[in-house]
Amino acid sequence: QKEVEQNSGPLSVPEGAIASLNCTYSDRGSQSFFWYRQYSGKSPELIMSIYSNGDKEDGRFTAQLNKASQYVSLLIRDSQPSDSATYLCAVPTSGTYKYIFGTGTRLKVLA
Amino acid sequence: GAGVSQTPSNKVTEKGKYVELRCDPISGHTALYWYRQSLGQGPEFLIYFQGTGAADDSGLPNDRFFAVRPEGSVSTLKIQRTERGDSAVYLCASSLLGPSQSEQYFGPGTRLTVT
Repeated sequence: QKEVEQNSGPLSVPEGAIASLNCTYSDRGSQSFFWYRQYSGKSPELIMSIYSNGDKEDGRFTAQLNKASQYVSLLIRDSQPSDSATYLCAVPTSGTYKYIFGTGTRLKVLA
Repeated sequence: GAGVSQTPSNKVTEKGKYVELRCDPISGHTALYWYRQSLGQGPEFLIYFQGTGAADDSGLPNDRFFAVRPEGSVSTLKIQRTERGDSAVYLCASSLLGPSQSEQYFGPGTRLTVT
């Protein structure tokens, strides 16, 4: 079992819709979770961090964390073509300094 | 302020050669990370520095890879006897504190091609 799992996609949504991106992780001791956006040929850009169970909203982005289910998600409201990118979930492994990244989900927002 | 910078942006080298990749973190960031990213994959952890010391180098694939951060700011990743399998984008990231509660900010990366 991979330590951080994401569906590779592509996930296609129409412009203006809600995009839902999911991530599961295996380390029950993990305490913090990060979402990065990566455009093709560019480096990852941090968009959200979440540390507590529940929802955290920042503009059009909402991160949701459920530690009991070992599940973290990212919702993008009013999706725009400029949101088309690969979204990476990152989870630090408890007891180490390693951040484990998922393989990323490719999102395509169709105009 | 200035973000993380990496040089060179691209490096092409022949198999067996030695390469150095440089990372200049955000000013004041004590933690520095090196990752390697292959096409279609997420970044793969290589090494983490807290200050001048390597706090975790367990991600370095073998002893051909070595990294230093002598003054606690700029870091250099060194690869000896390069192999074609070393071809990837090498990413550097820095954070203000350390792991777990601090967000990492990535540099633009160095694309290494070993021919």
